[in-house]
Amino acid sequence: DIQMTQSPSSLSASVGDRVTITCRASQSISNYLNWYQQKPGKAPKLLIYAASSLQSGVPSRFSGGGSGTDFSLTISGLQPEDFATYYCQQSYSAPSMYTFGQGTKLEIK
Amino acid sequence: EVQLVESGGGLVQPGGSLRLSCAASGFTVSSNYMSWVRQAPGKGLEWVSVIYSGDNTYHADSVKGRFTISRHNSKNTVYLQMNSLRAEDTAVYYCARDLGYCSDTTCHYGMDVWGQGTTVTVSS
Repeated sequence: DIQMTQSPSSLSASVGDRVTITCRASQSISNYLNWYQQKPGKAPKLLIYAASSLQSGVPSRFSGGGSGTDFSLTISGLQPEDFATYYCQQSYSAPSMYTFGQGTKLEIK
Repeated sequence: EVQLVESGGGLVQPGGSLRLSCAASGFTVSSNYMSWVRQAPGKGLEWVSVIYSGDNTYHADSVKGRFTISRHNSKNTVYLQMNSLRAEDTAVYYCARDLGYCSDTTCHYGMDVWGQGTTVTVSS
């Protein structure tokens, strides 16, 4: 099974900062990698698919990169509404299995 | 408006059963991959089950043999039948549309529409 490991598990930052979250797959998944944002008590929201494609309606300050086993989500110019938990997810083995990372909680400094 | 609404959650004793429903509007479930994803209290997201193309299904190892995903096309609804429930199945259960972003050669699947979630508590 493919395992997904995110780092860091938590992160403190200020409004206006640029932050990067990383996600590593236990084997190569090409670019079959999605990123989600989840706020407390809410359903997740798809931000990025295919490693670097921005989902419709998502602000351009969000960007994704990487391929193979190492991926990143960058938020340029943090806004107050960006403080949330972020998850990566592999879809390389879809539809037989999807795996999420453990999440990265982004908090206000 | 594209929307998913889950229902059917509640409190159930260990070993019991529950059926969750996910009613879709604004699109047809039969034309899409549809997944269930759960989140235990204070924990991360865990994919549970998917149904796609015809009535093909997959389930996570943690629920295989106990949970069954299905759909009713005329009701445009997806179900999750959960049997032999355990305390570790306690979670918020979300259904999601697993949309294929396809090019000439490949499709990337991402969960672009989610329901609000329904809470399942397994406890005596």
